[in-house]
Amino acid sequence: GENVEQHPSTLSVQEGDSAVIKCTYSDSASNYFPWYKQELGKRPQLIIDIRSNVGEKKDQRIAVTLNKTAKHFSLHITETQPEDSAVYFCAASSPGGSYIPTFGRGTSLIVHP
Amino acid sequence: DAMVIQNPRYQVTQFGKPVTLSCSQTLNHNVMYWYQQKSSQAPKLLFHYYDKDFNNEADTPDNFQSRRPNTSFCFLDIRSPGLGDAAMYLCATSRVGREAQHFGDGTRLSIL
Repeated sequence: GENVEQHPSTLSVQEGDSAVIKCTYSDSASNYFPWYKQELGKRPQLIIDIRSNVGEKKDQRIAVTLNKTAKHFSLHITETQPEDSAVYFCAASSPGGSYIPTFGRGTSLIVHP
Repeated sequence: DAMVIQNPRYQVTQFGKPVTLSCSQTLNHNVMYWYQQKSSQAPKLLFHYYDKDFNNEADTPDNFQSRRPNTSFCFLDIRSPGLGDAAMYLCATSRVGREAQHFGDGTRLSIL
């Protein structure tokens, strides 16, 4: 099955800085890569996703890049704000797992005012 | 409007006393998932349904069962809860596997 590694486990930045979270996956056939944000005590919510036929996708301050050759994808948050503080999970969907997403372990992002 | 609704939000049960958690969806999605999430950890998939096709994760304890009587509803039954089953239980849906999941607000289960 698919295996997703996520780093770092904790990321602390100053407000206004950029934050980058990286994930690697094992199944080269994986073709869908979502990112979820989970604030404390709340449900995970999709913030951005990318499919394997695209190398980069951007939505305002958030972007995701995908390198299929290296089998890794990254979340980039620019101009971070305190409300960006949350746990972020990456995931990958592979045909070997019937496309059911495999989650990374999560990154706790702390944005200091 | 809430699209994936979980009831109750908080559930307290006694050690060994069966408990049922419920999930309903208004999205008409084919896939429904149950996750267990413990503090500071990623959601752990317990089961998923693709329509009526039930899929059990290999490491899901036998103590956990699930039912999906129709497209809109899905239930998680814990037959004999132990202290280690205290967690947040999240229900999610997606149209198909390789599309975005929509999560409910979860049920926080406490075991006395």
